[in-house]
Amino acid sequence: NAGVTQTPKFRILKIGQSMTLQCTQDMNHNYMYWYRQDPGMGLKLIYYSVGAGITDKGEVPNGYNVSRSTTEDFPLRLELAAPSQTSVYFCASRGSQETQYFGPGTRLLVL
Amino acid sequence: AQSVTQLDSQVPVFEEAPVELRCNYSSSVSVYLFWYVQYPNQGLQLLLKYLSGSTLVESINGFEAEFNKSQTSFHLRKPSVHISDTAEYFCAVSEVGGSGGSNYKLTFGKGTLLTVNP
Repeated sequence: NAGVTQTPKFRILKIGQSMTLQCTQDMNHNYMYWYRQDPGMGLKLIYYSVGAGITDKGEVPNGYNVSRSTTEDFPLRLELAAPSQTSVYFCASRGSQETQYFGPGTRLLVL
Repeated sequence: AQSVTQLDSQVPVFEEAPVELRCNYSSSVSVYLFWYVQYPNQGLQLLLKYLSGSTLVESINGFEAEFNKSQTSFHLRKPSVHISDTAEYFCAVSEVGGSGGSNYKLTFGKGTLLTVNP
């Protein structure tokens, strides 16, 4: 099992550009999550999904969109990148016994 | 809504010394509690968790945490730390739903950076 994989590892965007952060898990988990991590602020939930075709907003959804067409994939879309979206983004999936498994993260810099 | 407070943003200690990382939570319902660890430039890994049963839970690498419902705390302890324990530690909580499952969302504290010096 590869677990949770994320691409790219690092990206620089210009203000106003768009991009998609990819997330894939091979554990057949229904629940998947996107978090952003900012220094000294912990992790904040952006969006989550309870299964294919079902998504919902988390704590900080503004400026992001998600879709979930398959169990494995949960991409995060930034439509108009802003400097405030400079962050490290983590995807996670929820397995048994309430455990969440995290990907290695995508570091995004918006200039 | 739940919230988590990690009382120390940084904890420097010497190798082989004991350490305690403090975590308090707030919730109007029952909760599940977690400690995750993040090594430099990596994702988070589950260290230990409390779901039910014994209030003292242990990890495979010598950490332990005790759920104290009256004090709404879940402090993490290790009697003797190693250089390799240097990492950021996050306390997290999820609320128990009516059917016994969680509300599926974790709320994290801001993290405590543990630095173990030789």
